[in-house]
Amino acid sequence: DADVTQTPRNRITKTGKRIMLECSQTKGHDRMYWYRQDPGLGLRLIYYSFDVKDINKGEISDGYSVSRQAQAKFSLSLESAIPNQTALYFCATSDLGTGQYFGAGTRLSVL
Amino acid sequence: QKEVEQDPGPLSVPEGAIVSLNCTYSNSAFQYFMWYRQYSRKGPELLMYTYSSGNKEDGRFTAQVDKSSKYISLFIRDSQPSDSATYLCAMRNDYKLSFGAGTTVTVRA
Repeated sequence: DADVTQTPRNRITKTGKRIMLECSQTKGHDRMYWYRQDPGLGLRLIYYSFDVKDINKGEISDGYSVSRQAQAKFSLSLESAIPNQTALYFCATSDLGTGQYFGAGTRLSVL
Repeated sequence: QKEVEQDPGPLSVPEGAIVSLNCTYSNSAFQYFMWYRQYSRKGPELLMYTYSSGNKEDGRFTAQVDKSSKYISLFIRDSQPSDSATYLCAMRNDYKLSFGAGTTVTVRA
């Protein structure tokens, strides 16, 4: 089984809909992150969390919210999806002094 | 100007060749340097993780860091078709990881 699991793997939704992307990890890491990846722009940080009670905005948090339900679970919500949120979304985890470990991604299309 | 610059390629080499990838950066506060490999429709996979200037070798992969020039490199020796992927450099100070845009590499059999 994967260390970092994202669900769903693919999602098509309509403008204005609320959508939640979920991430769970078995690596035992405290730190979790959400990124989006767009062609030519690389990976950009949306939100990050260093523990269950700690939530921080990244460089592109507008239009997104997150919830850290447990050490192993970190979900990303789009309250009212818009087409320019069409992208590949990645969850990642890390511990102090380690690199970040990524899930397989969720491909989201907003029509 | 982006914090991390990486030539997007694409780069195409014959099997067995040395692949040379590099990134430059502007933020002198970066302390940790990484290379990730990303296959199509997969998440980035951590390949190399270095802290100081100098070389780090792992099998066919060598990572170089030159902090004085703000330049990092990844070399892949004896490249294989299975090395065909997008390679992303990444740099970190404290929590924040900044990525290059990625270089797409194709190794031709």
